[in-house]
Amino acid sequence: GENVEQHPSTLSVQEGDSAVIKCTYSDSASNYFPWYKQELGKRPQLIIDIRSNVGEKKDQRIAVTLNKTAKHFSLHITETQPEDSAVYFCAASYAGSARQLTFGSGTQLTVLP
Amino acid sequence: DSGVTQTPKHLITATGQRVTLRCSPRSGDLSVYWYQQSLDQGLQFLIQYYNGEERAKGNILERFSAQQFPDLHSELNLSSLELGDSALYFCASSVDADPTYEQYFGPGTRLTVT
Repeated sequence: GENVEQHPSTLSVQEGDSAVIKCTYSDSASNYFPWYKQELGKRPQLIIDIRSNVGEKKDQRIAVTLNKTAKHFSLHITETQPEDSAVYFCAASYAGSARQLTFGSGTQLTVLP
Repeated sequence: DSGVTQTPKHLITATGQRVTLRCSPRSGDLSVYWYQQSLDQGLQFLIQYYNGEERAKGNILERFSAQQFPDLHSELNLSSLELGDSALYFCASSVDADPTYEQYFGPGTRLTVT
């Protein structure tokens, strides 16, 4: 089955700096890569996703890049703010019923004021 | 608010007991997923139902079972509970059985086994 590894497990940045979280996956058939944000005590929420037919996707201060050849994808957050502090999870899957999302182990991002 | 509801919010029970967690999906969503999140762990997929039928199974223990009812709410049954079953249990709903459709998570049920 799919295996997703996520690094780093913790990341501290100064407010205004950029943060990068990286994930690698094992199944070359995977073609859907979402990122979820989980604030302390809250539910995970989808913040951005990318499909294998594109290499990069941006949404305001958040971007995700995908390298299918190397089987890795990354989350980039620019101009970080204290409210960006949370645990971020990457995941991978491929289209089709009876498939499932496989999540990475999470990155605790702390934005220092 | 995602529109997904879960009850109860907290549950404290003893080893060997049985509990039932309930999930109501967003209006219009036919798919329900169950996940386990242990302390400092990621999200482990347990099982998925779509329109009343089991669609995918993850690392779900034999002591655990689930079902989805005609009104589309779902229940996760955990029996012969062990200390290691203490975790946050999330359900998520989606409009389709395909996992590449966005999943909306509920607030979770925190289970503590003593």
